[in-house]
Amino acid sequence: DAMVIQNPRYQVTQFGKPVTLSCSQTLNHNVMYWYQQKSSQAPKLLFHYYDKDFNNEADTPDNFQSRRPNTSFCFLDIRSPGLGDTAMYLCATSRDPTPPAFFGQGTRLTVV
Amino acid sequence: QQQVKQSPQSLIVQKGGISIINCAYENTAFDYFPWYQQFPGKGPALLIAIRPDVSEKKEGRFTISFNKSAKQFSLHIMDSQPGDSATYFCAATVTGNKLTFGGGTRVLVKP
Repeated sequence: DAMVIQNPRYQVTQFGKPVTLSCSQTLNHNVMYWYQQKSSQAPKLLFHYYDKDFNNEADTPDNFQSRRPNTSFCFLDIRSPGLGDTAMYLCATSRDPTPPAFFGQGTRLTVV
Repeated sequence: QQQVKQSPQSLIVQKGGISIINCAYENTAFDYFPWYQQFPGKGPALLIAIRPDVSEKKEGRFTISFNKSAKQFSLHIMDSQPGDSATYFCAATVTGNKLTFGGGTRVLVKP
């Protein structure tokens, strides 16, 4: 049974058209992460939530935002996607203070 | 000082052979060293992890060797199988902080 579920699995969006990716978890973990992974690269942390506290990485573009309405759900909003935002977006969870142990299947985003 | 250097970038091994992936770090504050396995089109999965108070940890065919003085750690995949073909990432962190990933190693196990 999937424990971290990401939707959609694949998303194609036009340059500049806002897009929202979603993540849900059944683990009741208090920490949720969003990573960006480009082809043949390691995942790069965009931000994470520790409970309701939002923690943004210093180099995450302002174009990327996130919402966590409750423990189970987290959203990644890309306000004006550029071609360089084409990537796999990964959601992960952990129970603080352990590092992420459970990743979702990812959403492969293509910006055209 | 936050870097984790991983080698090789890619590895081809025959079925039944041993795959060895090495990682080196600089930050002596790191206290948790996980390895992730990622199949194409999937998210990473935590494979095995070690803390610096032990020199070796084994889970099935996967073994982490840790050398604290050399600031190096490695993953050994014994009796490699075609189903082990994947990209492997080492990582390091100070507990409670974000992961620092290595660059990844693409492993191909030939039948």
